[in-house]
Amino acid sequence: SQQGEEDPQALSIQEGENATMNCSYKTSINNLQWYRQNSGRGLVHLILIRSNEREKHSGRLRVTLDTSKKSSSLLITASRAADTASYFCATDSITQGGSEKLVFGKGMKLTVNP
Amino acid sequence: KAGVTQTPRYLIKTRGQQVTLSCSPISGHRSVSWYQQTPGQGLQFLFEYFSETQRNKGNFPGRFSGRQFSNSRSEMNVSTLELGDSALYLCASRRAGYRQETQYFGPGTRLLVL
Repeated sequence: SQQGEEDPQALSIQEGENATMNCSYKTSINNLQWYRQNSGRGLVHLILIRSNEREKHSGRLRVTLDTSKKSSSLLITASRAADTASYFCATDSITQGGSEKLVFGKGMKLTVNP
Repeated sequence: KAGVTQTPRYLIKTRGQQVTLSCSPISGHRSVSWYQQTPGQGLQFLFEYFSETQRNKGNFPGRFSGRQFSNSRSEMNVSTLELGDSALYLCASRRAGYRQETQYFGPGTRLLVL
């Protein structure tokens, strides 16, 4: 079952604009990760933010985490056509055995028009 | 370093048949996880193997099984295929399967059940 829910589910912008995607989750987490997927291919890891971190940057990506609201946002600045993809947030879920598995949201489709 | 590889990339089967998918993790990675991705259910965790042992299991029927070999390569098997098993099957590897480790995904195997 999904824990993360991305919002909006689809976003279409022009090249050069910024894109913001939001993710809400339900239970306590240790970390939250964002992934990108191009056209039904494998997922590419973008960034991981730990529960004790509030903001993290990686190139044109900025991720924030608000554990009190159980939400995260991914900001892509100066978007490019190559950023067109689906974006997923994933939270860790601790199983009864004590190990970790990722629980993914349903994803958000970003289209960047040239 | 080579990435995660999955074979075959595409597969067409008919209802009632069985199928075996293969995943070769990144060299040195001992944890392999499998996910099913469908438009309706999104990305769902199937199971994780670590050092030839199943460490985690998702909520899938017993028709879905897997195993891991001593070289960390993993296979998953689906018996008595149903139309609803049509999906993109992704595997991901990480070094030891500890929390906050990045998972690296393969390109996936797209299975179509007719």
